[in-house]
Amino acid sequence: QKEVEQNSGPLSVPEGAIASLNCTYSDRGSQSFFWYRQYSGKSPELIMSIYSNGDKEDGRFTAQLNKASQYVSLLIRDSQPSDSATYLCAVNSKNSGNTPLVFGKGTRLSVIA
Amino acid sequence: SQTIHQWPATLVQPVGSPLSLECTVEGTSNPNLYWYRQAAGRGLQLLFYSVGIGQISSEVPQNLSASRPQDRQFILSSKKLLLSDSGFYLCAWSPVSGRKQPQHFGDGTRLSIL
Repeated sequence: QKEVEQNSGPLSVPEGAIASLNCTYSDRGSQSFFWYRQYSGKSPELIMSIYSNGDKEDGRFTAQLNKASQYVSLLIRDSQPSDSATYLCAVNSKNSGNTPLVFGKGTRLSVIA
Repeated sequence: SQTIHQWPATLVQPVGSPLSLECTVEGTSNPNLYWYRQAAGRGLQLLFYSVGIGQISSEVPQNLSASRPQDRQFILSSKKLLLSDSGFYLCAWSPVSGRKQPQHFGDGTRLSIL
């Protein structure tokens, strides 16, 4: 069974610090990796996609992928209180065709002002 | 651009009553469509997904059903709601060539069963 694992948190970081969120996945054939942000009471919002090994930067966000280690992470630089949310990791496997993404249970991030 | 609409935003229903939640997508053709449920403080539970009209895959056996009567319309139903059906229901879509595409979520329906 394909699984995506995340530490549930909460992860607390001071304002201005770097928040590091981690995710591991079990399906070695996975090809597509996504990070979603979900504010309390709201629906998940896509914030990053990554498909190749290495780093991908978008503003204050950096996604990092290591397929050999089956590990994907999200770094948030200069964390702000508005970044406080649950971050969901999602993975799409090589052979899944049109089947759904597999989501982790999410890591709750709290940025302390 | 593509948009996804879900309604109602909130719903309070008595135990044993029927349910119908609707989701529509605009600006794309033949999308993949998904229904998820999220219990309070929990992760996303995939309920159903559809790759085309009339094609429904069920992930979790329960008293819910889904239908796709039109290309961009996805409906979640129940004949008799249980207390355990309470939760946040989310509809999502992805492009037809879904292998490397993310899913995009609607605003959700918060369902409370009394």
